[in-house]
Amino acid sequence: GAVVSQHPSRVICKSGTSVKIECRSLDFQATTMFWYRQFPKQSLMLMATSNEGSKATYEQGVEKDKFLINHASLTLSTLTVTSAHPEDSSFYICSANEEEKLFFGSGTQLSVL
Amino acid sequence: DQQVKQNSPSLSVQEGRISILNCDYTNSMFDYFLWYKKYPAEGPTFLISISSIKDKNEDGRFTVFLNKSAKHLSLHIVPSQPGDSAVYFCAASANSGNTPLVFGKGTRLSVIA
Repeated sequence: GAVVSQHPSRVICKSGTSVKIECRSLDFQATTMFWYRQFPKQSLMLMATSNEGSKATYEQGVEKDKFLINHASLTLSTLTVTSAHPEDSSFYICSANEEEKLFFGSGTQLSVL
Repeated sequence: DQQVKQNSPSLSVQEGRISILNCDYTNSMFDYFLWYKKYPAEGPTFLISISSIKDKNEDGRFTVFLNKSAKHLSLHIVPSQPGDSAVYFCAASANSGNTPLVFGKGTRLSVIA
């Protein structure tokens, strides 16, 4: 099946720094990728829809200036958490569509100290 | 308002028996449903899906049943194996899977040997 690669898998950073997370579709082209966030014991919450070559579409309540998304090619989308704070600590997961299925990256555990 | 609900946060089943995970939805526009399995600190893995034109889909030990009138679907795993222990997410989409998924909160399945 399709493979979506996400890295880093884990990152620990100081408050105020920026963190970039990469999401790659390895064997297919993805014009659309999705970024989700999961808090402990909660559901996966859609943050934004990343569209190749255009601006991302953010869900209500998600700060677009804080969570910068770039989808520069058909196989790569990046999420940058700018000026990270402890409340941004979470598990971030990207996904990409192939046909009717959604394939997920392995996720990034972000811990902001 | 939660559009996809998994009312049982956890379920314990003995090895070899059937596991039944339930999911309810409220949005009548949903026409495509998926189940994902997730291990801690990993991305969700696609298990099985069903379109609203069907009421059953089977893949090996996994069967998904859809009751459109009740807006209810269930995932049956038989026989259950210890390796099935994970969190299972129900997800729904409109437009034949071409819109972002809406996830339930998940059900933690523990298969006891």
